[in-house]
Amino acid sequence: EIVLTQSPATLSVSPGERATLSCRASQSVSTNLAWYQQKPGQAPRLLIYGASTRATGTPARFSGSGSGTEFILTINSLQSEDFAVYYCQHYKNWPPITFGQGTRLETK
Amino acid sequence: EVQLVESGGTLVQPGGSLRLSCAASGFTFTTYWMTWVRQVPGKGLEWVANIKQDGSEKFYVDSVKGRFTISRDNVKDSLYLQMNSLRVDDTAVYYCAGSSNPGYHLYMDVWGKGTTVTVS
Repeated sequence: EIVLTQSPATLSVSPGERATLSCRASQSVSTNLAWYQQKPGQAPRLLIYGASTRATGTPARFSGSGSGTEFILTINSLQSEDFAVYYCQHYKNWPPITFGQGTRLETK
Repeated sequence: EVQLVESGGTLVQPGGSLRLSCAASGFTFTTYWMTWVRQVPGKGLEWVANIKQDGSEKFYVDSVKGRFTISRDNVKDSLYLQMNSLRVDDTAVYYCAGSSNPGYHLYMDVWGKGTTVTVS
């Protein structure tokens, strides 16, 4: 089973600043990695797939990078609606499909 | 409008059974892998099971193997999860999700709002 470890657990950033979220895989997943955003009381929403491809409707301020075992989600010029929980998920050599434990992005 | 609507979640006693349903609309259901993902309130996401477009392949997380069965009806554009021998630790919000990628690159680009299962 591939374990995904996200860091930090909580990230405090001011609106307008940049947020950098990390996801590390226990073994290589190539670029078979997705990022999701989840707001309180809502379902997750796909942001990024293929490690770096924005899903339909994902604003350009969101960018994904990385391959192998190290991945980064960067959010530039944070907007109020960006404060949420973010999850990474791999889809390499499944089952099982696994998610990271999440990073909570909060307002500083 | 692309939409997934789950139903069937309720309070059930340990050892009981429940069937969740997910109705799809606004997209070609028969071209999507479909998945159930669950989330204990305040916790992270856990993949539960998924099923190929034609129902020929099904996969489960180890903790539900032998107890849960995923199925789909491509005429009714619906996904199901039969849950038997329910345990307290099955308590969660259950999301129905779809993957438009035709291969095995399973990222979920369509999600329902979830249905709550409480085992107590």
